[in-house]
Amino acid sequence: KAGVTQTPRYLIKTRGQQVTLSCSPISGHRSVSWYQQTPGQGLQFLFEYFSETQRNKGNFPGRFSGRQFSNSRSEMNVSTLELGDSALYLCASSLVLAGSDTQYFGPGTRLTVL
Amino acid sequence: GESVGLHLPTLSVQEGDNSIINCAYSNSASDYFIWYKQESGKGPQFIIDIRSNMDKRQGQRVTVLLNKTVKHLSLQIAATQPGDSAVYFCEGSPGRRALTFGSGTRLQVQP
Repeated sequence: KAGVTQTPRYLIKTRGQQVTLSCSPISGHRSVSWYQQTPGQGLQFLFEYFSETQRNKGNFPGRFSGRQFSNSRSEMNVSTLELGDSALYLCASSLVLAGSDTQYFGPGTRLTVL
Repeated sequence: GESVGLHLPTLSVQEGDNSIINCAYSNSASDYFIWYKQESGKGPQFIIDIRSNMDKRQGQRVTVLLNKTVKHLSLQIAATQPGDSAVYFCEGSPGRRALTFGSGTRLQVQP
């Protein structure tokens, strides 16, 4: 069974631009969560989607948004990029909703904002 | 609130030795404590978890110990191998979902 895939793997943007990242969960998994990882802040939870609905949200500004499609694939969007948004963005999928199943992480998308 | 695991930055061990990675947590309400391993260029990988009503749990070559009195968690890796070199994160979670992690501990295995 294929693991979690994320595209693109690397991305370079400039301040003020917007970016969309994509995540394909493991087949059959319905929950997709997004995390931001930086050296200074570690791994921080952004949000979780289950059955196309946002179920949990971390403490990030409204510039960070996401959605989930009927096939469980998810996208994350960051608008008006800031230098501090440079990070590794990780997607994780699980079979069911958070709190009851193990998460499996993708390799991440490395975003650099210049 | 969110809890953050506190870690030493780097642990260096000889191949074949046992490794012990320690972690202090702050969220007393956690039901689960989770250890993840992250190798360079990869996403975190679940290693093992432990319920708050347990003191010890063993997996394949790994053992997790939980001391709720002092809010301390440790991961023991037996016969450490080069493939164990990675960053290890601990976290406590109300469910099996970890919302935040600390910066982790980097384990370096020397040949």
